[in-house]
Amino acid sequence: QKEVEQDPGPLSVPEGAIVSLNCTYSNSAFQYFMWYRQYSRKGPELLMYTYSSGNKEDGRFTAQVDKSSKYISLFIRDSQPSDSATYLCATNPPKGGNQFYFGTGTSLTVIP
Amino acid sequence: ETGVTQSPTHLIKTRGQQVTLRCSSQSGHNTVSWYQQALGQGPQFIFQYYREEENGRGNFPPRFSGLQFPNYSSELNVNALELDDSALYLCASSFGGASTDTQYFGPGTRLTVL
Repeated sequence: QKEVEQDPGPLSVPEGAIVSLNCTYSNSAFQYFMWYRQYSRKGPELLMYTYSSGNKEDGRFTAQVDKSSKYISLFIRDSQPSDSATYLCATNPPKGGNQFYFGTGTSLTVIP
Repeated sequence: ETGVTQSPTHLIKTRGQQVTLRCSSQSGHNTVSWYQQALGQGPQFIFQYYREEENGRGNFPPRFSGLQFPNYSSELNVNALELDDSALYLCASSFGGASTDTQYFGPGTRLTVL
């Protein structure tokens, strides 16, 4: 079983839609969760991180962690064509330093 | 403040050859991690260097090796290249090796093995 599982999509939505991106993780000891955005032919850039459980909001983006179901989500409100990218969820074990485990990424296209 | 840079951008090699990829970390960062990202996959952790010492390794064979220099730049060396080594190689720098330290990724080096 992989540490992090993510539906690869692709996902296509109209501009202005609410987007929900999801991942599951395998180990209940994981506590630090990240969402990265990767544009074509670029390196990933950190969007948001959350520690343990709950929600975190940053502008149009909300990250949510449900530890009881080992489920992490990223919501994008009022999606824009510039949000078109691959979104990667990631986590790392408590003593693993920066040895992040990434999901496969979900490809998102926002259609104008 | 300069970001993470990697060279070269693209590289084509043949099976059995050796390759060296380079990474300059963001100013002030002392930790570099290397990842392999195959097409359609997420990045896979290769190893991390913290203050010139290897600080963790993923599930990659010994023919993947690395170095970190006193200025915290880094190299990834791959010997005896195989077709499956074709991928985007990413380095990420951070200040410190803790789980809460933000990693900043470079644009990657795309390696094609023929």
